[in-house]
Amino acid sequence: AQSVTQLGSHVSVSEGALVLLRCNYSSSVPPYLFWYVQYPNQGLQLLLKYTSAATLVKGINGFEAEFKKSETSFHLTKPSAHMSDAAEYFCAVSPYNQGGKLIFGQGTELSVKP
Amino acid sequence: KAGVTQTPRYLIKTRGQQVTLSCSPISGHRSVSWYQQTPGQGLQFLFEYFSETQRNKGNFPGRFSGRQFSNSRSEMNVSTLELGDSALYLCASSSRGVTDTQYFGPGTRLTVL
Repeated sequence: AQSVTQLGSHVSVSEGALVLLRCNYSSSVPPYLFWYVQYPNQGLQLLLKYTSAATLVKGINGFEAEFKKSETSFHLTKPSAHMSDAAEYFCAVSPYNQGGKLIFGQGTELSVKP
Repeated sequence: KAGVTQTPRYLIKTRGQQVTLSCSPISGHRSVSWYQQTPGQGLQFLFEYFSETQRNKGNFPGRFSGRQFSNSRSEMNVSTLELGDSALYLCASSSRGVTDTQYFGPGTRLTVL
């Protein structure tokens, strides 16, 4: 069964510092991969998605992620953190041939210090 | 375009009762998926409906059921509520599922006492 592992349930960075949130997936075939963000008391918002086109994917709010098949990774980065980036981030995989089903990682809570 | 709406936003029930949650997708979207979010288990897929047919199902007991109407609106029902059913229930809609972006609603917070 496919799965997603997010390393680090909590990540803290200073404002202006690099944000790096790690995600590894297990899949026997190239999957579709997603990063979502959730602010308190809200639903999830899509940051970016990989669907087998370019391996470097740019998303909203300055985030980007790189698909590395050899490392089965899809880490999320942002060059300079902003206070408004504080939220919970979820990596997700869409299993092959299973329609709209998403399998989520456990989430990483990002804190941004002034 | 209006986003995904879920009603009610908050719900308090007691053990043994049943509950129905509603989700209205974005206009034109035919796929609706439901997820349960809890602190312990995270986000777990419940089921997906596409054009009124259940296309995928997660590993939840039969107490959890759903349906989709011809206008793509979806409902999920939980019968014989247990304390462990307390969670945030999220629905998401997309045009076709798969690679399409899934747009999430704000969720329904269910508390079972």
